[in-house]
Amino acid sequence: QVQLVESGGGVVQPGGSLRLSCAASGFTFSSYGMHWVRQAPGKGLEWVAFIRYDGSNKYYADSVKGRFTISRDNSKNTLYLQMNSLRAEDTAVYYCAKEQQLATFDYWGQGTLVTVSS
Amino acid sequence: QSALTQPASVSGSPGQSITISCTGTSSDVGGYNYVSWYQQHPGKAPKLMIYEVSNRPSGVSNRFSGSKSGNTASLTISGLQAEDEADYYCSSYTSSSTFYVFGTGTKVTVL
Repeated sequence: QVQLVESGGGVVQPGGSLRLSCAASGFTFSSYGMHWVRQAPGKGLEWVAFIRYDGSNKYYADSVKGRFTISRDNSKNTLYLQMNSLRAEDTAVYYCAKEQQLATFDYWGQGTLVTVSS
Repeated sequence: QSALTQPASVSGSPGQSITISCTGTSSDVGGYNYVSWYQQHPGKAPKLMIYEVSNRPSGVSNRFSGSKSGNTASLTISGLQAEDEADYYCSSYTSSSTFYVFGTGTKVTVL
């Protein structure tokens, strides 16, 4: 069965950095695009970033462009999100999600909480 | 890219049918058949309920159905059950620079 397990969340000061990981299993990781989606406390879902199956193309939300970097290691079945210059408004639960086909997120991880606070 | 517009809340009694709308533009909902719907219970990850406007993944109840007209997509839940009480989000591919956009979310309450 498909499993996505995020890790790396925690408390970080404004301006700091954090790297999230998403360990995938139960499917051929190297064949699927992957996303990061976040949800601020009590708020709705916000798409953050996408990476193609082979890492050749990456797309970002305007709110994180230039600060966040999505990457993947297909040999380790792992997705990453490097977050730099963090702001209070980046506080959220971050989910990784598998893309079944264009704009369809068919499996989600349980999420990891990132809190940006001094 | 602004979020797609959904009603903040919709309610219904057990057994009734309800419909949640998701309004976008010709650059997203109206321009592509890549609209999907997600159910999220409190403290849980979202779950895919409908993809490509009207397709149901394996295992999702046929009480859930999707449609689209112009720039507005809709999710209908028929035979409403207590377990359907959750937040629902639509999502669409968009031709804007961000490529993907979610709706504002709708809280469904079973009376």
